[in-house]
Amino acid sequence: EIVVTQSPATLSLSPGERATLSCRTSQSVSSYLAWYQQKPGQAPRLLIYDASNRATGIPARFSGGGSGTDFTLTISSLEPEDFAVYYCQQRINWPPITFGQGTRLEIK
Amino acid sequence: HLQLQESGPGLVKPSETLALTCSVSGASISSGGYYWGWIRQPPGKGLEWIGNIYYSGSTYYNPSLKSRVSISVDTSKNQFSLKVTPVTAADTAFYYCARDDYGKVDYWGQGTLVTVSS
Repeated sequence: EIVVTQSPATLSLSPGERATLSCRTSQSVSSYLAWYQQKPGQAPRLLIYDASNRATGIPARFSGGGSGTDFTLTISSLEPEDFAVYYCQQRINWPPITFGQGTRLEIK
Repeated sequence: HLQLQESGPGLVKPSETLALTCSVSGASISSGGYYWGWIRQPPGKGLEWIGNIYYSGSTYYNPSLKSRVSISVDTSKNQFSLKVTPVTAADTAFYYCARDDYGKVDYWGQGTLVTVSS
C-alpha cells in the first residue's frame, strides 16, 4: 500500500498570507495526486487533480505542483473561507486510493 | 447537476450489519464512464476508501475491509448500496457515497453518521 504523509499537521496563518501545504508519498505516484478541502460538517470537495489541474469552479488562488513523491498545494492569498482541513490522495494504482492524514489550516 | 444522497440507519448494534443506500440524481449510473463508491471517516479522523462499483456490477474493495464489505448496484432505481458485516465500534464513522472517476472523487454525498453501539 502506498502511504501518503502530509505536513504540517496544523498550519496557523492570517488572511492574506500565502499557504504552502506538503504531501509526500512512499513511492512514486507520477502526477496522480489530488487535493481536497473539507470544512466542518461538510463532505470533502475536490480542489486539484493530477497534481496541478484545478477542478471545476475552484478559484485561481489554489494551485498544485510536484510529481513523483513530493507535492505541494499553494493558496496564494488566504481568504476567510479557506480555513479548513486539506487532504491529499493518490490514485496511481487505483483501485484502491489512499489519503493523507490531513493538514488543518487555522486562523492565526 | 449531479447529486448523491446517503440513507440508512444511524445506529447499528455490534456484530450486526450496516446497510446504506446512495441515491443518485442528475446522472444515470447505467450511462457508464464512472465508478460509484463509498468512503468513510471516523469522527475527527481521516478518510478511508471502502470500495466502488461499476454499473455492470464489477466491484473493487479495500483489502483491509474486503472480507466484511459488499457493494451492489440497482440501475433501475439509480442507486448503489453498501453492506458491512459484522460491525464493531471501529466502524463508527461518517459514510460518504461518491462518484469515482478512476480514482478522482469529484462528487460527494453530504455524508451520514453511523454509530455502532449496543
